[in-house]
Amino acid sequence: QVQLQESGPGLVKPSQTLSLTCTVSGGSISSGDYYWTWIRQPAGKGLEWIGRVYTSGTTTYNPSLKSRVTISLDTAKSQFSLKLSAVAAADTALYYCTRLSAGTYFDYWGQGTLVTVSS
Amino acid sequence: DFQMTQSPSSLSASVGDRVTITCRAGQSVSIYVNWYQQKPGKAPKLLIYTASTLQTGVPSRFSGSGSGTDFTLTISNLQPEDFATYYCQQSYTTPYTFGQGTRLEI
Repeated sequence: QVQLQESGPGLVKPSQTLSLTCTVSGGSISSGDYYWTWIRQPAGKGLEWIGRVYTSGTTTYNPSLKSRVTISLDTAKSQFSLKLSAVAAADTALYYCTRLSAGTYFDYWGQGTLVTVSS
Repeated sequence: DFQMTQSPSSLSASVGDRVTITCRAGQSVSIYVNWYQQKPGKAPKLLIYTASTLQTGVPSRFSGSGSGTDFTLTISNLQPEDFATYYCQQSYTTPYTFGQGTRLEI
């Protein structure tokens, strides 16, 4: 059974960089069948896709965040990470890491980690 | 972006009812629509992918249909555990986008 677990600081100051890591267990992060992605959800609101990374390291980002986002993969540690720079209060949200299968559907999700941007 | 619009935004129903949630895409997304269920404090759970394929382990009372721009999620014989928020999502192109959600209440 594939499991994903987010980790990282729960509080980030405005203008700083948000950094989160997702650890994947129960399956290979190197499999060519999947992308690894980040999605966020502000409290009481809907879901926003942030970006994805493939096993080759190729990334695709949401244009709305592209200038501030970096997603990377560490296959040796079975982890992938998210960095979001120059954060503001609007970036306060629950951040989920997910597996994207067949480039089509998000079939496994982490439990989510709340990140609050505040001084 | 390919905007996804769900209706209704909220819905009241009773155990045993049949309900339908609609999702409309701003442009054709072929069959590349997925449906998720989210309960309070939990991550979304995949129910249906590519419009009508039931994810493994999901009860058969859930079904999906549609293609192009119009899609539906139907839940037959509502059970107490089905009261949640439902989201559609297009995977035809990036950026992947979600509907705003439909809250299904008792």
